[in-house]
Amino acid sequence: DAGVIQSPRHEVTEMGQEVTLRCKPISGHDYLFWYRQTMMRGLELLIYFNNNVPIDDSGMPEDRFSAKMPNASFSTLKIQPSEPRDSAVYFCASTHLVRENTEAFFGQGTRLTVV
Amino acid sequence: GQQLNQSPQSMFIQEGEDVSMNCTSSSIFNTWLWYKQDPGEGPVLLIALYKAGELTSNGRLTAQFGITRKDSFLNISASIPSDVGIYFCAGQRYGNKLVFGAGTILRVKS
Repeated sequence: DAGVIQSPRHEVTEMGQEVTLRCKPISGHDYLFWYRQTMMRGLELLIYFNNNVPIDDSGMPEDRFSAKMPNASFSTLKIQPSEPRDSAVYFCASTHLVRENTEAFFGQGTRLTVV
Repeated sequence: GQQLNQSPQSMFIQEGEDVSMNCTSSSIFNTWLWYKQDPGEGPVLLIALYKAGELTSNGRLTAQFGITRKDSFLNISASIPSDVGIYFCAGQRYGNKLVFGAGTILRVKS
């Protein structure tokens, strides 16, 4: 398996623009997580899905952030409008809950810079 | 909410030395995971622990799941330069989200 695939790897955008980050989880995994990583706050969970259904979005910072998972192999995280403080590395991770085994695998991340 | 306290925040050690880091929580977890992150990359899973008291090794790495289910440690023996990076612990309860520690930055002097 190719692992969790995220795109783009890097994104530079102007304040106010819409940004869409994409994730393809590992095939067969039924949990998908979106994380944001910054120096100040470390790894923060934004939202996670189980079987394409959002389970917990309490980490989504504002209404400007939205996430969808239209099918088992694709998810998006959208920021509209983007602001400089959204600059961070965004990670997607997936896992398959088999009994107690819950090893989450991460993508390589999208480095977002909002100028 | 669930919080993980990871220590130390950073370490600067001599090549060949052993390293120890740990995580504690006020909540019980059913799974403890240890990840390493290299610059510009996503976290990569090193060791997964599923049972209280479990001691698991992966090469020079050894990790243990605390008996109380509220803590875990990671040891690296005979450190080498490629061990540099950020190490994260993560705890998870069944069907729930992963909670990460703040990370331990490891630097190794040759």
